[in-house]
Amino acid sequence: QLQLVESGGGVVQPGRSLRISCAASGFTFSRYAMHWVRQAPGKALEWVATIIYDGTNSLHTDSVKGRFSISRDNSKNTLYLQMNSLTSNDTAVYYCARENVGATFDCWGQGTLVSVSS
Amino acid sequence: QSALTQPASVSGSPGQTITISCTGTSSDVGAYNYVSWFQQYPGKAPKLIIFDVSNRPSGLSDRFSGSKSGNSASLTISGLQAEDEADYYCSSYTTTFTYVFGTGTTVTVL
Repeated sequence: QLQLVESGGGVVQPGRSLRISCAASGFTFSRYAMHWVRQAPGKALEWVATIIYDGTNSLHTDSVKGRFSISRDNSKNTLYLQMNSLTSNDTAVYYCARENVGATFDCWGQGTLVSVSS
Repeated sequence: QSALTQPASVSGSPGQTITISCTGTSSDVGAYNYVSWFQQYPGKAPKLIIFDVSNRPSGLSDRFSGSKSGNSASLTISGLQAEDEADYYCSSYTTTFTYVFGTGTTVTVL
């Protein structure tokens, strides 16, 4: 069955780096574009980044450009988000999501919490 | 890219019909028929309930329906049930190849 499992979240100090992962199973990972979406405590969903099926192209929202980098390893069925120069504004639950026909997100992971605090 | 505008809260009694609006611009909602809606319970991941403005994923209740006019989209929940009490978010693909979510709406069943 379709499954996305995020990992790697935790507490990190401002200015430090963290890489979170998303392991996919139950579908052919290499055929789908993937996304990261985050949700700050008590706030709305925010799209963060996307990467196409083969990893050759990606886009990031303006607030993380130059600091975050989405990548994937299709041999490991895993999506990554490298986050550098973290600030308190980056504190959120980070979800990975699969993109399907219709430019929508049809499968979501359970999320991993990233807390930026000194 | 600014978030799409949704009402903060909508409420209704069991059995009633409610509608949630989602207002964007000609660069997102108005540009394509790529509007989706998601349901989210507290502490849980979002769940897709509508895609391509008005399509439901397989197996989803037909009490949920979507529509769009110009730069605004709507989600209608008919025959409101206690289990519909949740947060709802719209999303849209944009002309810059990115995505934008709505501000979110909390549905309360009275």
